[in-house]
Amino acid sequence: EDQVTQSPEALRLQEGESSSLNCSYTVSGLRGLFWYRQDPGKGPEFLFTLYSAGEEKEKERLKATLTKKESFLHITAPKPEDSATYLCAVQALDSSYKLIFGSGTRLLVRP
Amino acid sequence: DGGITQSPKYLFRKEGQNVTLSCEQNLNHDAMYWYRQDPGQGLRLIYYSQIVNDFQKGDIAEGYSVSREKKESFPLTVTSAQKNPTAFYLCASRWAPNYGYTFGSGTRLTVV
Repeated sequence: EDQVTQSPEALRLQEGESSSLNCSYTVSGLRGLFWYRQDPGKGPEFLFTLYSAGEEKEKERLKATLTKKESFLHITAPKPEDSATYLCAVQALDSSYKLIFGSGTRLLVRP
Repeated sequence: DGGITQSPKYLFRKEGQNVTLSCEQNLNHDAMYWYRQDPGQGLRLIYYSQIVNDFQKGDIAEGYSVSREKKESFPLTVTSAQKNPTAFYLCASRWAPNYGYTFGSGTRLTVV
């Protein structure tokens, strides 16, 4: 069964303290892996798509990487405004429609 | 600006009542989706539509119904058969299979 597991469930950082969020996935074949940011009471906001192992994408303080079994979202020198829930989702090769989501990592960055 | 509009933002349902959540997009996307989000769980797919006048059940379709009469609109009805409807409902659309979803701002449904 296709599955996505995110860890940790929650993460508290001091402003400027870099860290990484993990997304492990089990899928028969990967069509794509997606990262989203979600603020409380709002819909998820698209961040990155990764398609193949070794691929990396960057946006401001965020960098996403992909291996054959997992993806990492690295946050460099985070600021309080980076506080949010970060969601990971995968799409299998044999599915043209459905994303499978992890339960997310809640990130809190303290000033 | 292009995007997805969900309404209402908050909705309260009485026992035995059907309610309809609205989802409208002006992105010219063919595919639209409804997901349900519960605390501590990943988003779960309720229904999806890849083209006008066609839709398919997702993983948790029981107690829900949809229609897709126009490309721009994909309303979700939560029927009285849905025993635990309290949740955050998210509508999404996408341009093509390899692209990410664009999400609406969500509707929070509460049973009173």
